[in-house]
Amino acid sequence: QSALTQPASVSGSPGQSITISCTGTSSDVGGYNYVSWYQQHPGKAPKLMIYDVSNRPSGVSNRFSGSKSGNTASLTISGLQAEDEADYYCSSYTSSSTLEVFGGGTKLTVL
Amino acid sequence: EVQLVESGGGLVKPGGSLRLSCAASGFTFSSYSMNWVRQAPGKGLEWVSSISSSSSYIYYADSVKGRFTISRDNAKNSLYLQMNSLRAEDTAVYYCARQMPTTVTSDYWGQGTLVTVSS
Repeated sequence: QSALTQPASVSGSPGQSITISCTGTSSDVGGYNYVSWYQQHPGKAPKLMIYDVSNRPSGVSNRFSGSKSGNTASLTISGLQAEDEADYYCSSYTSSSTLEVFGGGTKLTVL
Repeated sequence: EVQLVESGGGLVKPGGSLRLSCAASGFTFSSYSMNWVRQAPGKGLEWVSSISSSSSYIYYADSVKGRFTISRDNAKNSLYLQMNSLRAEDTAVYYCARQMPTTVTSDYWGQGTLVTVSS
C-alpha cells in the first residue's frame, strides 16, 4: 500500500478539466510544501510537471496546475489534450525515516 | 542538456548481488544530490535512496536498508547503487534522478535499467 492515496483512474473529454487528488498525513503532504507531480507515459521515464505544490518547471504547459489544502494535494489539468493521457504520480517529502513517498498513481484517460 | 544513463541491470538469482551505475552529463554533478527510484512491473514509483552532493547525507527506504548501498564518484560524474541479498520483490526498473537544489523532487530522470531477481 502506497504512503499517499490517489484515485486509480480519472477520465475526461478533450477540452475539459480534471483534478487528481493526493492524500497524505501531517507528516508529509500536510506538513510541508514539498509536493510534486510526475507524468509517465507507457515505457517512458517520469517527467516532472509540478514541484513545491504549485510550481511548474520550465517548458511545462500552464494547463497544469497544483494546489494543496490540509493533507490533500491536487493536480488540475485544464483544456485536456490527447497527449495528456498518461499515469500521474504525486510525491512528498516525509518526516518519517524515509525521505520521499509516492502515491500509487492515477491513470488518466482522455475520452 | 542534462543526461542520466543507467547501466548494470540484468537477471540475478535471489540472494545475489548487482551494482547499478548512472553516468551523468550536462550539469555540474558534484553540486547536486541524487536519487534512485524504482518501479516494479505494472506498479507505481517507489523512492529507494538519496545521497547528498558530497556524500555527507545518505537515506534509504526501509525496504532496502541494510541491503543496498548508494555511493557516488564526483570525479567520474557517476552514481552507484550496490544491491546485495536481492529478493524477488526487488525486481523493478531502477531510475537514477537528479534532485532539485532546495527540495527532494527529482527534476531529471534517466531511462532506467531493469533488474530481474528470479531463480
